[in-house]
Amino acid sequence: GENVEQHPSTLSVQEGDSAVIKCTYSDSASNYFPWYKQELGKRPQLIIDIRSNVGEKKDQRIAVTLNKTAKHFSLHITETQPEDSAVYFCAASIPGTGRRALTFGSGTRLQVQP
Amino acid sequence: GAVVSQHPSRVICKSGTSVKIECRSLDFQATTMFWYRQFPKKSLMLMATSNEGSKATYEQGVEKDKFLINHASLTLSTLTVTSAHPEDSSFYICSARGPPNQPQHFGDGTRLSIL
Repeated sequence: GENVEQHPSTLSVQEGDSAVIKCTYSDSASNYFPWYKQELGKRPQLIIDIRSNVGEKKDQRIAVTLNKTAKHFSLHITETQPEDSAVYFCAASIPGTGRRALTFGSGTRLQVQP
Repeated sequence: GAVVSQHPSRVICKSGTSVKIECRSLDFQATTMFWYRQFPKKSLMLMATSNEGSKATYEQGVEKDKFLINHASLTLSTLTVTSAHPEDSSFYICSARGPPNQPQHFGDGTRLSIL
């Protein structure tokens, strides 16, 4: 099955700096890569996703890049703010009839220092 | 749009009790629902996948007789933890998805504490 590795496990940045979180996946058949933000005790919220036919996607301060050859994808947050502090999970999904479950990375705890 | 409601949010009960958790998609038809378990400061571990009207597919190591999943309609899936024990204490989260090319949307989770 799919295996997703995520680094770093914790990341501390100063407000206004950029943050980058990286993930690698094992199965070249994976074609959907969402990123979720989870605040303590709350649901994971989808913040951005990318499909394998696209190399980069941006949404305001958030961007995701995908390198299919190397099987890795990254989340980039620019101009970080204290409210960006949370745990971020990457995930990968393999297409299949009716299933398409997500395999999650281990998470990155982002702390933005004011 | 794409709201998923999970209930209850918190359960505290005695060992041996069975607990039912509901997951509802409020504004879309969820052809597939997923149940995850999350330990403190850990990632989400997929327990099972359920498609409406068919039996759930369980991940390796998840006891299907322990974690009963029912997906009787396009808007409701339930997870029943049977004869719960302290080691079943965890945060359980459901997610729901419409068509295969759409993202998953998560419920608020249920924190289960077995005494």
